[in-house]
This record gives sequence, structure tokens and C-alpha cells, in this order.
Amino acid sequence: GAVVSQHPSWVICKSGTSVKIECRSLDFQATTMFWYRQFPKQSLMLMATSNEGSKATYEQGVEKDKFLINHASLTLSTLTVTSAHPEDSSFYICSARGQRYNSPLHFGNGTRLTVT
Amino acid sequence: KNEVEQSPQNLTAQEGEFITINCSYSVGISALHWLQQHPGGGIVSLFMLSSGKKKHGRLIATINIQEKHSSLHITASHPRDSAVYICAVGTGGGADGLTFGKGTHLIIQP
Repeated sequence: GAVVSQHPSWVICKSGTSVKIECRSLDFQATTMFWYRQFPKQSLMLMATSNEGSKATYEQGVEKDKFLINHASLTLSTLTVTSAHPEDSSFYICSARGQRYNSPLHFGNGTRLTVT
Repeated sequence: KNEVEQSPQNLTAQEGEFITINCSYSVGISALHWLQQHPGGGIVSLFMLSSGKKKHGRLIATINIQEKHSSLHITASHPRDSAVYICAVGTGGGADGLTFGKGTHLIIQP
């Protein structure tokens, strides 16, 4: 079946550095991908909607200059956490669905980011 | 913004028991999703519902649009069903992001 691959699954970085997370749809084309963040014991929160070939749409309170999203192709979206801070430590997960309105939703396995 | 409430927050049951997890939302939706999140964090989409009932193996999901309520049932529960079950709703078209409930932490004891 359809699979969304997210890489890396975990990363540790130092404060001030940038981290890139990739989300790939392996056997379907995804016009739209979504990026979520989940803090411990909390629900997932939508950060942004990534649209192929155009700018991402960010949710209120999410800094677009800090969380850079690029959706360069129908199978790849990237999230770059710039100038990472310990407060950015979280679980980041992407999802994607096919191009039909009622296409099922597929999630990546997530990336656990720890900023030291 | 849609408010999504799940109950119970935590549930421990014995193997074989019938499990029900409930989800209520405040605003009309285009679709409701039931998701399963395992301890490692990975998420699996179990169901996407816009009306009625769906069944997959031992899992059954129902939705009542008028009452803005959905239930996820697990029959003949098994320890491998232990996970966090999350209800999520979408209110837009196919490209909408989801609003999530806080999840129900289910533990099935052997």
C-alpha cells in the first residue's frame, strides 16, 4: 500500500544549528503534505500545510522563518528547523494524501528532534 | 476552530474485552479519522469516515453526523492493540489539515 517515508527518525543537534527533515510519498503523488508537531503527552498540532510548487500555509503562532518548508516535487516535502533552540525539541510528523478528494491519509513515522 | 474531545483519556482492560473509545467534535466536518499511534510515535490511519459505519477486522468505527459524535470499537481485544488512539477531524476539502483529539491511551493486559 501507499507509504510515506520520513527521515531521519531521530536527530540530536546543538542550539543554533539547523535541521532538515524529509517527507516522501513513495508510491503516490501528494499535491499537499502536512507537518505536525507533538509535545510529550499532548495531541498533535498542525504546523503548516505544504503545497507543491507554492508557498506553505502556516498555522497561527508558527514562525515561517524558523520552520522553512519546501515542497519541490509531488513526492517530497522538507521541513527545516532553523537556528534550533531547546524549546524546539519535539516529535515532528508529516502526512500526505493522494490527489483525489477522498484519498486516504498516510503518515510518516515521525522525527524525534532533541536540541541540546 | 473545531474542538475535539475524546473519552476516556486512559483505558486499561483485560484481553478479550470489548473496547469503546468516544470522540465528539464541535463543528461540522468533512471527514473524521481514527488513528493509532504506537510507543515509537509512528501513526497508522485506521479509518476515515464521513457517515455511517466502517469495519476492518476487529475494529469498527461509527459516526453520527447529527450528534457530532464518533466511536471506535475493538472486539476481542488483544495486548497488541495497546496504543494511543487518536480522533482527528477535517473541516475543509481534500487539502485540509486536521484537528486532533488528545488521544486515548489503551492498555490491554494479557
